[in-house]
This record gives sequence, structure tokens and C-alpha cells, in this order.
Amino acid sequence: EVQLLESGGDLVQPGGSLRLSCAASGFPFSSYAMTWVRQAPGKGLQWVSAISASGGRAYYTDSVKGRFTLSRDNSKNTLYLQMNSLRAEDTAIYFCAKDSMNTVTGSFQQWGQGTLVTVSS
Amino acid sequence: DIQLTQSPSFLSASVGDSVTITCRASQGISSYLAWYQQKPGKAPKLLISAASALQSGVPSRFSGSGSGTEFTLTISSLQPEDFATYYCQQFNTYSFTFGPGTKVDTK
Repeated sequence: EVQLLESGGDLVQPGGSLRLSCAASGFPFSSYAMTWVRQAPGKGLQWVSAISASGGRAYYTDSVKGRFTLSRDNSKNTLYLQMNSLRAEDTAIYFCAKDSMNTVTGSFQQWGQGTLVTVSS
Repeated sequence: DIQLTQSPSFLSASVGDSVTITCRASQGISSYLAWYQQKPGKAPKLLISAASALQSGVPSRFSGSGSGTEFTLTISSLQPEDFATYYCQQFNTYSFTFGPGTKVDTK
């Protein structure tokens, strides 16, 4: 059974940093692209970033480019999202999700339960 | 970015009803469209990919159709567990976008 467990969400001040993790199990992690999607409280879904299975290609939505960095450690079956220069508008539940192939396709087959990031002073 | 709109935003229905949700893209996306179901406090669940490909384990009362700029999700006989919010999502370009969602509530 595919399991994705996010962690690292917290309350952080504007301008601060946070690193989210997503621990994967139940599938060959190194064979699948992964992604982060966020959802502001009471709002819809917004794709944030995606990375290929090898980690060689990463993609970002415009609003986080230059501030967020997505990486993965295939030896630890873990996905990371380093978030810097955080803004109030980054406040959201962050979900990690498994793609359908080793390349980023945008078809998000399984999702974790999410971790809450709150940016506030 | 490709924008997606959904109609209606809110749908009131009863168990056994057939419901249809429409998703429109601001430009052609071929069949690169997925549908997700989300219940309160839960993660989204992929129902349909590539416009019409039903995911494993998803009941056959769910179906998707369309290509280009107009797509539909149909639930043929609404069940109690289907009351949820439904999102479409395009994956035609490497800037994936979601529709604003359609909440299906009980009449």
C-alpha cells in the first residue's frame, strides 16, 4: 500500500524558512516523480512543485520560483521542500503526491494527508 | 498559465440522481485533464485521468469525457459517499492548474 507521510509544517514568521519532508513507502520511490500541492484554508488546490524520479528535473509554480527548492533523497525514500522567504500567502496545507511515471506527468495518483504551514507574525 | 473554470460551483442533489460537472480550459489541452474528489479534512483522490480513464478502484458510476477545451465529469447514480468537492486539473503544460472546484451537497 502506498503511504506518503508529510511532516515539518509549523508556524513561522514572514520572511522565515521551513523544510517539509514527505516519507514514502509501499512503492519503489526512486521510480516515480513526485509533487507538492497546497491548499490555503477554505480554498482550492494549487500545484507548487514537481520533481522527476532521478531528481534531475524540477518544476515550480511562478509564485514560489526562487524561494522554494524541491529535492529528494532516493536512498531515504524522502521528498523535501525547502521554503525560504515565506509570505502570508504561503499559508496552506501542503500535500505531497506520487506521479504516475518516472517523469513529471502531472497525474497525481496517490496523496499524503498533508502538513499545515502557517506564516504569521 | 492555462485557466480552468468549473460549472456549477455548487450543486445540490439527492441520492440516486445523475449529476454532471463541466470543466472548461482557457486553451486546448487535448485530453490532459484529471478529476479529483476531496472530502472535508481529507486529501484529494484521483478519480479520472486523461479525460476519461477511470482509476483502479473507482466505481463505474463515475465517468469522464471531453477533449480540447471542454470536459465533463458525470456521476450516474449519486451515492451518499459521493457528496464532496470535485476538482478538475490540467496537465498539458509544466504549470499544472486546478479548477476552482464544484461542491456536491445533499438536497
